[in-house]
Amino acid sequence: AQSVSQHNHHVILSEAASLELGCNYSYGGTVNLFWYVQYPGQHLQLLLKYFSGDPLVKGIKGFEAEFIKSKFSFNLRKPSVQWSDTAEYFCAVNTGGFKTIFGAGTRLFVKA
Amino acid sequence: NAGVTQTPKFQVLKTGQSMTLQCAQDMNHEYMSWYRQDPGMGLRLIHYSVGAGITDQGEVPNGYNVSRSTTEDFPLRLLSAAPSQTSVYFCASSYSSGTGSDVDEQYFGPGTRLTVT
Repeated sequence: AQSVSQHNHHVILSEAASLELGCNYSYGGTVNLFWYVQYPGQHLQLLLKYFSGDPLVKGIKGFEAEFIKSKFSFNLRKPSVQWSDTAEYFCAVNTGGFKTIFGAGTRLFVKA
Repeated sequence: NAGVTQTPKFQVLKTGQSMTLQCAQDMNHEYMSWYRQDPGMGLRLIHYSVGAGITDQGEVPNGYNVSRSTTEDFPLRLLSAAPSQTSVYFCASSYSSGTGSDVDEQYFGPGTRLTVT
C-alpha cells in the first residue's frame, strides 16, 4: 500500500535557525505532492505543491520544497524560521485518482 | 466566500448514540472528503465524493456513512458511536486542475472535535 513517512515527529528550533523537514513516499509512478500547515487553533492550509516541472517549488511564507524522484522524497525547507512558524506540518501525496495520503505530521516549535 | 464550514465545533456522545457532522462549501467544488485526525497518525480519509450522488470509501470507512445530495453539502453520519471514533474530523473540498491529478489543493474546514464516552 502507498504510504507517506515524515521522519521527525517533533522539532524544536530557535528563531533564525534553518529548517528541513523530511518526507518520503512509497510509490513508483507519477505523484503529485503537497505540504500543508496547521497553525495552532486553525485549520489546514496549503503551503506549496508540486505536479511537474522545476523540482524546486516555492510556497508561501518563504517555504520551499525539493522533489527528488530517485529518493522518493519531497523535503520542506526554510532558511530562517520565525516564532510564527510554530505549527504542525503535513506532507501529502496523490498518486492519481481521488485519494490523497497524508503523513503523520511534524510538530515544529520555534523558540523566540 | 465562507469556504468550507463545519458544525458543530465540539461534540460529546455516549457510546451507541448516533449523530451527523455537517459540512458545506460555497466554492462549487465537485470533490469533497472527510478525514479524521488522530495523534501520530496524520489525516486518514474516511469517505469522499466526486459529485452529487457519487460517494466512495476511503481508508477508514467503517462506522461512518455519507451522502451527497447537492454540490454544497456533504454530511458525515456516525451510526452507533464508539470510543474508537473519538477524534478530530475535518471536511475538505477540492477541484480537478486537469494537470494530471484528479484532486488538486484541498480546502479544509475548521474541524469538529468529537469525544465518545
